[in-house]
Amino acid sequence: AQSVTQLDSQVPVFEEAPVELRCNYSSSVSVYLFWYVQYPNQGLQLLLKYLSGSTLVKGINGFEAEFNKSQTSFHLRKPSVHISDTAEYFCAVSAGGFKTIFGAGTRLFVKA
Amino acid sequence: DAGVIQSPRHEVTEMGQEVTLRCKPISGHNSLFWYRQTMMRGLELLIYFNNNVPIDDSGMPEDRFSAKMPNASFSTLKIQPSEPRDSAVYFCASVASGGAWGTDTQYFGPGTRLTVL
Repeated sequence: AQSVTQLDSQVPVFEEAPVELRCNYSSSVSVYLFWYVQYPNQGLQLLLKYLSGSTLVKGINGFEAEFNKSQTSFHLRKPSVHISDTAEYFCAVSAGGFKTIFGAGTRLFVKA
Repeated sequence: DAGVIQSPRHEVTEMGQEVTLRCKPISGHNSLFWYRQTMMRGLELLIYFNNNVPIDDSGMPEDRFSAKMPNASFSTLKIQPSEPRDSAVYFCASVASGGAWGTDTQYFGPGTRLTVL
């Protein structure tokens, strides 16, 4: 079985500062990894995903994530955040079946 | 494309009443998921359909919950009778499963916020 741990429930950061949202996963088989974002009163939407190949994945809105197999991590980063990045971010893992396991979410709060 | 459509967006009902949530997936998508989101439990998968057939309903909390997908463009999630602990945001998501299993993006609807008094 797979599991996902998002190490921070809330991350406050000032506008234009860099941010890293941490995600670790557990699985006995190869996995696919995702980051989704949920803006207030909206559904989740995909930021980026890692399926294979390059371990550095670039997504929408200037976000990127790096797959680290040895550390079983898939941390999300952005070099300079905007107020509009305030949202909840979910890391998710799939082992190739239909089921995707979502983490508990990290609430990013960008302050002016 | 209109995306995944859910209705109603908000529902307030009294304990014991029947509640029906509706979902219209993206045209051409052949997989549909129902999720429940609460502060305490996060995002939980309730049921998964592939080509209108329920494949896994192990996440449905109890017999009060039922889901149907009579055709490729419509699904319902029904709670009868409803209880205060069912209060949550219910999401529907659809997938165009053309690639390897588990690699496809899930497209979420805006959700239905259910409050059971």
